[in-house]
Order: sequence, then structure tokens, then C-alpha cells
Amino acid sequence: GQNIDQPTEMTATEGAIVQINCTYQTSGFNGLFWYQQHAGEAPTFLSYNVLDGLEEKGRFSSFLSRSKGYSYLLLKELQMKDSASYLCAAPVTGGGNKLTFGTGTQLKVEL
Amino acid sequence: GAVVSQHPSWVICKSGTSVKIECRSLDFQATTMFWYRQFPKQSLMLMATSNEGSKATYEQGVEKDKFLINHASLTLSTLTVTSAHPEDSSFYICSAAQGVLSGNTIYFGEGSWLTVV
Repeated sequence: GQNIDQPTEMTATEGAIVQINCTYQTSGFNGLFWYQQHAGEAPTFLSYNVLDGLEEKGRFSSFLSRSKGYSYLLLKELQMKDSASYLCAAPVTGGGNKLTFGTGTQLKVEL
Repeated sequence: GAVVSQHPSWVICKSGTSVKIECRSLDFQATTMFWYRQFPKQSLMLMATSNEGSKATYEQGVEKDKFLINHASLTLSTLTVTSAHPEDSSFYICSAAQGVLSGNTIYFGEGSWLTVV
């Protein structure tokens, strides 16, 4: 089976940096996804990590440690529009492109 | 632009009726599509895998006779919620993938809000 854990909620200040953690246990490993989802909308792709290390994409970066079953999403220079749910997801081994999602972390950015 | 399109975006139906939601892959063929359900403030939960030309594969706890899935062509999968009840009210999202699994090859539809009254 697969299990993905994330904090339920986080609050941060505009302009600051926030790190959203994700731990996972999966049977097999086929990479780890991060998605952003605003209320009432479909998820938007942010990152996909297969190898260990940090991948940076503008204000958003994602880190993976396969040995620790751990990933995080780092958001810099927070903006109000970054208030959303952030979902960690892992492909199901042998399931093609089927994803198992974590519970999602609701991020609230305040002034 | 969107590569996976869902219709309708929202629908309100009476309890006991059936509702059909369509998921179309645009500009690519998808032999497999996935249907997810999301209740308010919860994450996406996979309901079933829609297989073109064959029966869908349902996740544990999902009633196949209640959530009928048809994938008659390589670009269209439909989810029919039969005899809908208020507890079926939810956000339903489909996804499809193009090519081999990698970064940005999994596309989600815009989602469909179902409200059963």
C-alpha cells in the first residue's frame, strides 16, 4: 500500500519563505509530485522529483530524499495568491499514471 | 490551453436521478483515464481507472454499479453517478496522461461540481 503524510494547515507571512513537508511510504518508487490546488479548481502541476536533491523553479523548489522517504516544497517570497492547498502525490507502482495523494496542506498567506 | 476537458463544470440534480460527467483528452489519445473525487477540505481520492475498450477498475470501497464508467473511445471517458444521493455531492476530477510518466505528462480536467438536492 501507499501512505503519504503532510501537515494539514500552515500559515505564513507575505514575503516570507515556507517549507511544506511530505513523508511517504510506497511499494516501489516512481517519483514524487507536488501540485497546487486553489479551492474549487483542478490541481496544477508544480514539480516532479525522481532523483535526490533540490530542484529549483523560480519561487518554488522541491526537495527529495528517497532514503528517508521525505520531500518538501519550498515557497519563497510568498504572495497572497500562494494561499492554496498543496498536494504531495506518488504514482502507484504498476498503476501507470495513477496517483495517490496526500491529505494536502492548506497554506494561508497573511499580510 | 487545457489538454483535458471536463463537462459539465457544475451540475445540480435531484436525489434519485442520474448524472453523467464527461472527460475528454484534447489533441492526444488516452487509453487510460482516472476518476477522482474530492470532498470539501479533503484531498483527491482515486475512484477508478477507466480503460479504453474494457471494464473500469474500481478502488476498494467504490461501488461500480453506482459509479458507471464508460471509455468507449481513446479521447472520451464518462462517469455516470446513478441514483444520486446528497452524500454523492462532491467535486469530481478526471486525469489522463500523455506518453511515459514523467514530470508534466499527467493532465487534470477542470473538475465537475455535483450537488444533489
